[in-house]
Amino acid sequence: QVQLVQSGGGVVQPGGSLRVSCEVSGFTLTNNDLHWVHWVRQAPGKGLEWVAFARYDGSNKYYADSVKDRFAISRDNSKNTLYLQMDVLTAEDTAVYYCAKGVGHYTGGDYYNWFDPWGQGTLVTVSS
Amino acid sequence: EKVMTQSPATLSVSPGERATLSCRASQNVNNNLAWYQQKPGQAPRLLIYGGSTRATGIPVRFSGSGSGTEFTLTITSLQSEDFAVYYCQQYNNWPLYSFGQGTKLEIK
Repeated sequence: QVQLVQSGGGVVQPGGSLRVSCEVSGFTLTNNDLHWVHWVRQAPGKGLEWVAFARYDGSNKYYADSVKDRFAISRDNSKNTLYLQMDVLTAEDTAVYYCAKGVGHYTGGDYYNWFDPWGQGTLVTVSS
Repeated sequence: EKVMTQSPATLSVSPGERATLSCRASQNVNNNLAWYQQKPGQAPRLLIYGGSTRATGIPVRFSGSGSGTEFTLTITSLQSEDFAVYYCQQYNNWPLYSFGQGTKLEIK
């Protein structure tokens, strides 16, 4: 059974940094392009926003414009865990952050992914 | 960027009746569209992908239709557990995935 269990999050001051983790089970983050995990966030009372994705070997990383140059994805395949490092945080980054398994196909450099399942989410609050 | 617009924002329907939710894309997304259900305090749950394919374990009362720019999620014979917020997501425009703003389905 595929599961994604998140940890980290909390309260941080504007301009600060935080890292959230996503440990996966039921599949392994092996060195091939078969398993994909994305980050999606949801501001309080708002809708969903795709945030980031990285290929299994880190050769390609993709970020939403709203977080580019401030957020960074990394992964530790030996721990089956992904990380989202968030720097220079602002109030607009306050949200529940979800990791989610990408499902679908990869064609010509494009990932046609929907998300299933999702982690339980972790709340990041940016406030002074 | 492909903008996804859902309507209505809120839909009031009585249990046992049918609910019809709409999702419109600003540009053609082919059939690369998914639907999710989200209940308060929970992560979203996948209902439909490929515009019309039910995910594993999803009851048959949930059905999706459409292609291109117009999509519909239909829920027949509403059960109490179906009242939630529903989101559509296009995955045609990698890496600029986008979601609709959601439709809240409430009990009438």
